[in-house]
Amino acid sequence: ETGVTQTPRHLVMGMTNKKSLKCEQHLGHNAMYWYKQSAKKPLELMFVYSLEERVENNSVPSRFSPECPNSSHLFLHLHTLQPEDSALYLCASSQDGDSSGANVLTFGAGSRLTVL
Amino acid sequence: AQSVSQHNHHVILSEAASLELGCNYSYGGTVNLFWYVQYPGQHLQLLLKYFSGDPLVKGIKGFEAEFIKSKFSFNLRKPSVQWSDTAEYFCAVTPYYGNNRLAFGKGNQVVVIP
Repeated sequence: ETGVTQTPRHLVMGMTNKKSLKCEQHLGHNAMYWYKQSAKKPLELMFVYSLEERVENNSVPSRFSPECPNSSHLFLHLHTLQPEDSALYLCASSQDGDSSGANVLTFGAGSRLTVL
Repeated sequence: AQSVSQHNHHVILSEAASLELGCNYSYGGTVNLFWYVQYPGQHLQLLLKYFSGDPLVKGIKGFEAEFIKSKFSFNLRKPSVQWSDTAEYFCAVTPYYGNNRLAFGKGNQVVVIP
């Protein structure tokens, strides 16, 4: 265990379903991230929350909706997804505040999403 | 925005062989550099990092990486691999002055044959 827990580990959903991915970190970090990992592509940064405020949204379609109710929890709400959204979704956390950008991200194990 | 290039996506080698994975980045300023590893079925974890100082960085499990500023490179090496090094390896970069918005390469899938 890394201190970042993601549930569910596997999810299969139809294009009309609504589901959510959950991430919880037990490291006392103040920043949390969603990444998308697809085969043969670089990890794509989707959303960043720092001190519970969304500070970055990298042109992600609105069918992905993040929520960060507190510094320990992060959700990714999924609605009317497309088959090309099938991927491994990774959550990460870090301790922001160091302007050198030298803080290391700690990743969860990921949620494997399959959209039928 | 910075980008990271990793070549030879699939690498297959025998135990005890030497491994070198190339990583080049495009960013004109000072950077922090990372190698992450993802073992089969496991989470991404940090292998080693470079922030400043000695450009030859040693990480866990006998890995090392060398930062060559003039070549914008941060290649990963291990003199003698083991079967347990089978994994996917990702290079990542973030600006030294800024935030933690890591830019990742596509990864190298390394398979070590016993």
